[in-house]
Amino acid sequence: GQNIDQPTEMTATEGAIVQINCTYQTSGFNGLFWYQQHAGEAPTFLSYNVLDGLEEKGRFSSFLSRSKGYSYLLLKELQMKDSASYLCAVADSNYQLIWGAGTKLIIKP
Amino acid sequence: IAGITQAPTSQILAAGRRMTLRCTQDMRHNAMYWYRQDLGLGLRLIHYSNTAGTTGKGEVPDGYSVSRANTDDFPLTLASAVPSQTSVYFCASSEKGTDTQYFGPGTRLTVL
Repeated sequence: GQNIDQPTEMTATEGAIVQINCTYQTSGFNGLFWYQQHAGEAPTFLSYNVLDGLEEKGRFSSFLSRSKGYSYLLLKELQMKDSASYLCAVADSNYQLIWGAGTKLIIKP
Repeated sequence: IAGITQAPTSQILAAGRRMTLRCTQDMRHNAMYWYRQDLGLGLRLIHYSNTAGTTGKGEVPDGYSVSRANTDDFPLTLASAVPSQTSVYFCASSEKGTDTQYFGPGTRLTVL
């Protein structure tokens, strides 16, 4: 079957760095997406990786290793507004997105 | 620029009733999707449409139907609602089926 695993919840301190991991097993691979979802709101797009390596976008970076079925989202200089759920999704062989359950990130002052 | 709109924002519905959730996008995206999001689970695809006039079944299509008469609108119908359909429903769109998906604000549906 298809499976996306990510931690249920993480806690970090304002100003610090946090890494959210995602491992996947899917039928085919056509890219990995990270979305941010604040409580009660819609998911919003953060990043897309289809090749191995690190993609940097401001305070957020995303890494992919296709051979290991692994990705992480790195958030630097954490701000209180970064408190949200972070969703990992993989596009399978039919380009349908398979979603993880999300990681709830709690930022403490 | 509105992006994607959904209506209603929330709804409480008696079991057995028929309900249509509306979704409209103004980005001229070809592909549209309906997901449900339940606590502790990832988003699950209900139905999708890669272009106007075509639809396909996702992971959890039973009890739901869709239509795509034009590019902008993609309504989701529950023919006879059941309590297990209590969920938050998100509509999304992408320029084509392989592109980044953008989400509407969601509809919170409670079936009693």
